[in-house]
Amino acid sequence: GENVEQHPSTLSVQEGDSAVIKCTYSDSASNYFPWYKQELGKRPQLIIDIRSNVGEKKDQRIAVTLNKTAKHFSLHITETQPEDSAVYFCAASVKAAGNKLTFGGGTRVLVKP
Amino acid sequence: DGGITQSPKYLFRKEGQNVTLSCEQNLNHDAMYWYRQDPGQGLRLIYYSQIVNDFQKGDIAEGYSVSREKKESFPLTVTSAQKNPTAFYLCASSLHREQETQYFGPGTRLLVL
Repeated sequence: GENVEQHPSTLSVQEGDSAVIKCTYSDSASNYFPWYKQELGKRPQLIIDIRSNVGEKKDQRIAVTLNKTAKHFSLHITETQPEDSAVYFCAASVKAAGNKLTFGGGTRVLVKP
Repeated sequence: DGGITQSPKYLFRKEGQNVTLSCEQNLNHDAMYWYRQDPGQGLRLIYYSQIVNDFQKGDIAEGYSVSREKKESFPLTVTSAQKNPTAFYLCASSLHREQETQYFGPGTRLLVL
């Protein structure tokens, strides 16, 4: 089955700096890659997603890139703010396999003011 | 994701007891999912259902059971066979099997007495 690896597990950045989280996946049939933000004790919230027919997607300070050949995708957060502090999860799914999401282990991001 | 509700917020289980977690959605979504999240870890798929009266096992189905008698409801039973049930349980839904985006409920935290 699909395996998703996420790095780093923790990331500390200064406010205003950029943060980058990387994920690799194993199943070349994966075609949907969402990113979720989870605050302590809360539900995961979708922040951005990308499909396999697109190489890059941007939404204000957040961008995601996808390299299908290398089977990895990354989340980029620019001009980080204290409210960006949370745990971020990447995931991958295969549409033909019921859209089951396989999650990475998460990255705890701390933005220091 | 405000249309997905889970109850109770906290649940305590005694040894040998079965407990049922509720998940309801009023989004008219066809597909529903149950995930388990252990502290500091990613989400793992327990069961999923793409249509009423049908469901499939996820990656960690042992010790759990589900039913999907109504489109809006997908309850999860944690049986006594699940020896380590303490975790945060998250329900999610998506519009249909062709729509990959999953939205999460607020979660139920299960603790063993």
